Amino acid sequence: QLVLTQSPSASASLGASVRLTCSLSSGHRSYAIAWYQQQPEKGPRYLMKLNSDGSHVKGDEIPDRFSGSSSGAERYLTISSLQSEDEADYYCQTWGTGIRVFGGGTKLTVL
Amino acid sequence: QVQLVQSGAEVKKPGASVKVSCKISGDTLTGLSLHWVRQAPGKGLEWMGGLDPEHGEAFYAQNFQGRVTMAGDTSTDTAHMELRSLKSEDTAVYYCATGGRIFGVPITDFFQHWGQGSVVIVSS
Repeated sequence: QLVLTQSPSASASLGASVRLTCSLSSGHRSYAIAWYQQQPEKGPRYLMKLNSDGSHVKGDEIPDRFSGSSSGAERYLTISSLQSEDEADYYCQTWGTGIRVFGGGTKLTVL
Repeated sequence: QVQLVQSGAEVKKPGASVKVSCKISGDTLTGLSLHWVRQAPGKGLEWMGGLDPEHGEAFYAQNFQGRVTMAGDTSTDTAHMELRSLKSEDTAVYYCATGGRIFGVPITDFFQHWGQGSVVIVSS
């Protein structure tokens, strides 16, 4: 079964970097994913598509502070030089034939 | 730039149906992969289903099979999602979303563009 697992919460200090993790279920480690940001009281915003080899294509006007990487079944979103507006929920999403799946989301707190 | 504008908030009683619309501008619905995602209060994103751009047919998440219908009206570039037999647990914000296109080819797997969301409240 295609499942994405995310830690419920993360925190980091203003100006620091943070790496969020999205784990693919067994048998799906070659899958690409997409990352989304959802700021409080707003709709989701597409950040990037991230491939299994770590290559990624970001959405329009997504700052360079956002980057992606991959290792095995893990997909990472790294945010550097954290700003207050980065405090948000972050979701990963993947796909198969006839199915789209979201992870449970990670709530990022900027201290 | 693709824009998705959704219909307004709805309040429904348990057992009723709701229909949410999603008007596309900056592109046409024809050949576009258009999906629906919902978010219950305080919860995460849940994919409900989408329209296959190649055949124009809908495919649904297992949780919604038999209770949801998604369709598109290409004459008005508007997609619709109808959810039936509503329960209080269906109270949520409903989003339409699409991957758009790259070099004219629809992106079917992820969602670059999102509607503003439509609040649906199910309450007796």
